[in-house]
Amino acid sequence: ETGVTQSPTHLIKTRGQQVTLRCSSQSGHNTVSWYQQALGQGPQFIFQYYREEENGRGNFPPRFSGLQFPNYSSELNVNALELDDSALYLCASGVSGTSPAYEQYFGPGTRLTVT
Amino acid sequence: GDSVTQMEGPVTLSEEAFLTINCTYTATGYPSLFWYVQYPGEGLQLLLKATKADDKGSNKGFEATYRKETTSFHLEKGSVQVSDSAVYFCALTKRNTGNQFYFGTGTSLTVIP
Repeated sequence: ETGVTQSPTHLIKTRGQQVTLRCSSQSGHNTVSWYQQALGQGPQFIFQYYREEENGRGNFPPRFSGLQFPNYSSELNVNALELDDSALYLCASGVSGTSPAYEQYFGPGTRLTVT
Repeated sequence: GDSVTQMEGPVTLSEEAFLTINCTYTATGYPSLFWYVQYPGEGLQLLLKATKADDKGSNKGFEATYRKETTSFHLEKGSVQVSDSAVYFCALTKRNTGNQFYFGTGTSLTVIP
């Protein structure tokens, strides 16, 4: 058991709306990353937060934003939802500085459906 | 850019058959390589990893060897079980990319009794 939890499990939103997804990282982990996994695809990196600041971003527009809090929780916010945003959103936490094999521990994901 | 390519699925095997799932990568520098497994309705679980050339990662009967000369990290298991049915993802990361993981598209494995 990884200790990474996400909420809600499932969510249905309408195009144009805004959504906030939440993640509770494993205690002691100082990084949190968010991934988007479309049906039948591998996870795609959205961004990573380290010590409450964005520390790397994938090819996602600015309407995808995040926050990391000191209590090991974090949020992914998506504005102006589009149909293509329908996917499983995965949160992963880890400890930066562990060399050389940085490991990430994934939560079970939030399934977002945009109609 | 950095990327991972996995063999296309789905793969269907009988119980106790030998499993190979091919994975090749493109990356500059010295990536670390991983296999993750995703069971239905769940998130990803780390299966095994290797951090440098010729390293062999192993776990639960699965093995993969980091081959720099062929840029490969193929997953193998000598005798699969029904409980191994899942989607398997090959991934890489490098420390100088902010620990971003690059995943393959996944290979679905179904093991029939």
